[in-house]
Amino acid sequence: AQSVSQHNHHVILSEAASLELGCNYSYGGTVNLFWYVQYPGQHLQLLLKYFSGDPLVKGIKGFEAEFIKSKFSFNLRKPSVQWSDTAEYFCAVKAAGNKLTFGGGTRVLVKP
Amino acid sequence: GAGVSQSPRYKVAKRGQDVALRCDPISGHVSLFWYQQALGQGPEFLTYFQNEAQLDKSGLPSDRFFAERPEGSVSTLKIQRTQQEDSAVYLCASSLGGTGAGETQYFGPGTRLLVL
Repeated sequence: AQSVSQHNHHVILSEAASLELGCNYSYGGTVNLFWYVQYPGQHLQLLLKYFSGDPLVKGIKGFEAEFIKSKFSFNLRKPSVQWSDTAEYFCAVKAAGNKLTFGGGTRVLVKP
Repeated sequence: GAGVSQSPRYKVAKRGQDVALRCDPISGHVSLFWYQQALGQGPEFLTYFQNEAQLDKSGLPSDRFFAERPEGSVSTLKIQRTQQEDSAVYLCASSLGGTGAGETQYFGPGTRLLVL
């Protein structure tokens, strides 16, 4: 069965700092990869996704992620964070079947 | 249009009670998913419907959990004889198609269940 690990449980940084959140998955076949975000008091929303083509994917709000197949990784990046990026971020994998397998999430706090 | 809606948003149950959680997917969405999110963890898959057919129920933790989608739209997740370990947020998601690569699942706000 596939699994997803997110290395950082909590990240604290200041506005304008760069952000990188790690995500690794275990599955040897074809995968679709997703990053979801949950802002305080809101529901899960899609940030970006990869399913084929260019391994560098750009999403909403200036986020991007790079799929590195050889490393089974799909790390999320943003060059300069804002206070409004405070949220919990979830990496997810869709392998066999339609279900998503999520990582444990990373809580990001951006200090103004 | 409207997103995925769930009701109730909060539910407190006494241990041993039965509960029913409702999900209204986005209109026209073929696929519907239920996930369970325990405190401090990521969502975990429970079950999946394509129209009214329950194609995958491998994530249901016990036979106390039952889900249905009789007319291929609204779905209900029922938990019988609730236990304290059932306390979690129950998330519903829907997607437009069936098995297409890259299909996005749209999530509802969840139902927070607390079993005392």
